[in-house]
Amino acid sequence: SQQGEEDPQALSIQEGENATMNCSYKTSINNLQWYRQNSGRGLVHLILIRSNEREKHSGRLRVTLDTSKKSSSLLITASRAADTASYFCATDESNFGNEKLTFGTGTRLTIIP
Amino acid sequence: DAGVTQSPTHLIKTRGQQVTLRCSPISGHKSVSWYQQVLGQGPQFIFQYYEKEERGRGNFPDRFSARQFPNYSSELNVNALLLGDSALYLCASTRTRGGTEAFFGQGTRLTVV
Repeated sequence: SQQGEEDPQALSIQEGENATMNCSYKTSINNLQWYRQNSGRGLVHLILIRSNEREKHSGRLRVTLDTSKKSSSLLITASRAADTASYFCATDESNFGNEKLTFGTGTRLTIIP
Repeated sequence: DAGVTQSPTHLIKTRGQQVTLRCSPISGHKSVSWYQQVLGQGPQFIFQYYEKEERGRGNFPDRFSARQFPNYSSELNVNALLLGDSALYLCASTRTRGGTEAFFGQGTRLTVV
């Protein structure tokens, strides 16, 4: 079963605008990761934030984590056409005996040139 | 270094048949996980293998099985195929058992007719 859900399910913005997508999850986690998937192929790791971190940056990406609300957000600044893809959050419960990533339902992002 | 490689890329099988999917992890990675992604959903965890032993199993029927070889490559087997097994099957490798980013292959697209 899915750990949680991304919100919104789909998002369309103009190139150059910022895109924000949110993720909610249900259980205690070791870390939370964001992945990108182009055209239903393999997933590409974007960023990992540990449970004791609140915010992390990587290039144009900014991720926040609120463990009290069991939620995370991914911000992509100055969007480009190449950012068009599906974005998934995934929770890692490896420290709690479950050796797996549990993915959300994904946000389909479309950047309009 | 080569990334995670999966074979075949596409496969069409008939209901009731058996299928074997293959995965080679990144050199130096000892953990391999398998995920099933049905169209429009996030990947769902099937198995994790580390050092040739099963370390995690998702909520899938016994028709699904896997193994890991001494060179850390892995096979996923699905018996008595059902139409609902049609999906993208993804393999991911990590350097350790968990807690770090996962590297995904491009997947095997299985169609059951």
